[in-house]
Amino acid sequence: HVQLQESGPGLVKPSETLSLTCRVSGDSITNYHWTWIRQTPDKRLEWIAYISHTGLTNYSPSLKSRVTISVDTSNNQFSLRLASMTVADTAVYYCARYDSVTTLYFDQWGQGAVVTVSA
Amino acid sequence: EIVLTQSPATLSLSPGDTATLSCRASQTVSYKLGWYQQKPGQAPRLLIYDAVYRASGVPARFSGTGSATDFTLTISNLEAEDFALYFCQQRSDWPFTFGPGTTVDIK
Repeated sequence: HVQLQESGPGLVKPSETLSLTCRVSGDSITNYHWTWIRQTPDKRLEWIAYISHTGLTNYSPSLKSRVTISVDTSNNQFSLRLASMTVADTAVYYCARYDSVTTLYFDQWGQGAVVTVSA
Repeated sequence: EIVLTQSPATLSLSPGDTATLSCRASQTVSYKLGWYQQKPGQAPRLLIYDAVYRASGVPARFSGTGSATDFTLTISNLEAEDFALYFCQQRSDWPFTFGPGTTVDIK
């Protein structure tokens, strides 16, 4: 059974860059595709970025200029970088598996990393 | 970007009732719509994919219908564990988008 675990700072200052990592256990990261999704305080969900096991990426148009997703197959993990953080980026950040084999949806999620942007 | 709207925002029901949740897309998404359940303090859980298929381990009381722009999630014989927040999500076009959610709470 695959498990995902986010790690990263809980507090980021405005204008700084957020770096989050999602460690995948129970399966090889090369078997699926991976994504980051965030949930703002009003409970809205927003898809941020996607990366395939071959490194193909796709980004939300609204965040594309600030975001980078990457995969580290040797450590079975993938990462998110979001630059120029503002208060509006305060959210719970989830890493999730995109099931490219069966459902074609986000079928496994991490527990979420709470990120607050504040000076 | 495809915008999803959900109605109602909140549904107040009793255990044993049937919940009917609606999701409408701003343009056709064909059958490419899924439903998720989220409980407080937890990540969303995939319930239904491609409008009608239950994800692994999802009880049969959850069912999905619809196509094009109008979709419905039905929860029959509500159990205590079903009171939660429900989201729809389309995979018809990037960026994948979510609806704002419907809360099913206890009346």
